[in-house]
Amino acid sequence: GAGVSQSPSNKVTEKGKDVELRCDPISGHTALYWYRQSLGQGLEFLIYFQGNSAPDKSGLPSDRFSAERTGGSVSTLTIQRTQQEDSAVYLCASSPERGREQYFGPGTRLTVT
Amino acid sequence: GESVGLHLPTLSVQEGDNSIINCAYSNSASDYFIWYKQESGKGPQFIIDIRSNMDKRQGQRVTVLLNKTVKHLSLQIAATQPGDSAVYFCAERGSSGYALNFGKGTSLLVTP
Repeated sequence: GAGVSQSPSNKVTEKGKDVELRCDPISGHTALYWYRQSLGQGLEFLIYFQGNSAPDKSGLPSDRFSAERTGGSVSTLTIQRTQQEDSAVYLCASSPERGREQYFGPGTRLTVT
Repeated sequence: GESVGLHLPTLSVQEGDNSIINCAYSNSASDYFIWYKQESGKGPQFIIDIRSNMDKRQGQRVTVLLNKTVKHLSLQIAATQPGDSAVYFCAERGSSGYALNFGKGTSLLVTP
């Protein structure tokens, strides 16, 4: 079946602009996660959605970052007033339920100039 | 606090040899660990996982060993192939019960 998909695959934006990153999880997966991977680093947890429960936003680095998940499926990560330090690969993952193995999408490479 | 780290940033092995990638963790309460493989330009790919009530788990050509006494995790790849060249990450499920804490990764290079 189809895996996790993300769009766009690459995004170049000017400092100060807003960006939206999209994630389509695996069909039927109730849990969705966003992570950030800076160059040569491991993944940093950003936010977690589980069903209709309130998301865990504890990993978001600043209030410029927000995310939503509509209809329990597609998720959008929004970064407002982008800064150069926001440049990274943003990865989305989904799992069939909380605590199970997470399946990752290919990521969106964000470059802020 | 929680942390996950890797002993070696790079590992070079010859095709056909066995590879061992090591990982240390600091949270003794961690109950679930995962190894991921990440090829260039792709997202991490699940390899194998292990729960803290186990010491060893085997998959196809891969074995994960967990030593809770010294808080050490290893991934063994048998008969390493060129297609195994990638960055390997260990991760632990943190205290939240769902978010994963990742190490920085070990780059595995398989030479012919």
